[in-house]
Amino acid sequence: DTAVSQTPKYLVTQMGNDKSIKCEQNLGHDTMYWYKQDSKKFLKIMFSYNNKELIINETVPNRFSPKSPDKAHLNLHINSLELGDSAVYFCASSRGLAGVYNEQFFGPGTRLTVL
Amino acid sequence: KNEVEQSPQNLTAQEGEFITINCSYSVGISALHWLQQHPGGGIVSLFMLSSGKKKHGRLIATINIQEKHSSLHITASHPRDSAVYICAVKQGGSRLTFGEGTQLTVNP
Repeated sequence: DTAVSQTPKYLVTQMGNDKSIKCEQNLGHDTMYWYKQDSKKFLKIMFSYNNKELIINETVPNRFSPKSPDKAHLNLHINSLELGDSAVYFCASSRGLAGVYNEQFFGPGTRLTVL
Repeated sequence: KNEVEQSPQNLTAQEGEFITINCSYSVGISALHWLQQHPGGGIVSLFMLSSGKKKHGRLIATINIQEKHSSLHITASHPRDSAVYICAVKQGGSRLTFGEGTQLTVNP
């Protein structure tokens, strides 16, 4: 039973294409996140949703659009892919927003390569 | 300058050695995470703490809120401990800010 799952695990595509990455959690959590990990392994928050409502929207190009059809899913759609979008994208979830002990659980990551 | 600084960036040890990885931060936090990322890429949460000390097996995490500093210790290190260890601080709400990670290699 995978707690936080992402599909696909690997994605190789051409510049200019549009692609989506899906994330699902079966932990009953209210909050989900998307992180980007660059080639230097540095993780950075992109988006966060709480109960299907967008609560964190970092300075990310508007080619990136998150969509949360329900509390258990948070998908990431990327339009007009660029070389610089190549990275590993991690989804995560937590029980809630605030609270000291709202630990985040991470998905396995999706390695996106734009050619 | 990053709000979360880790040291060292790279660490090589012999099996059995005691290992310490440090994390300093410059912002107010509600909690601090230690995460482990294996060569396969998956990220696992090791600890989340806001004061004092936590222990899980051979891993110990401590935090000093006044000094804005946390340490992760590994006792009796083993090659399977080889991974990237990432410190992340939790600020208001759910936002996490990450350090750049420490690459640990434990040789047999």
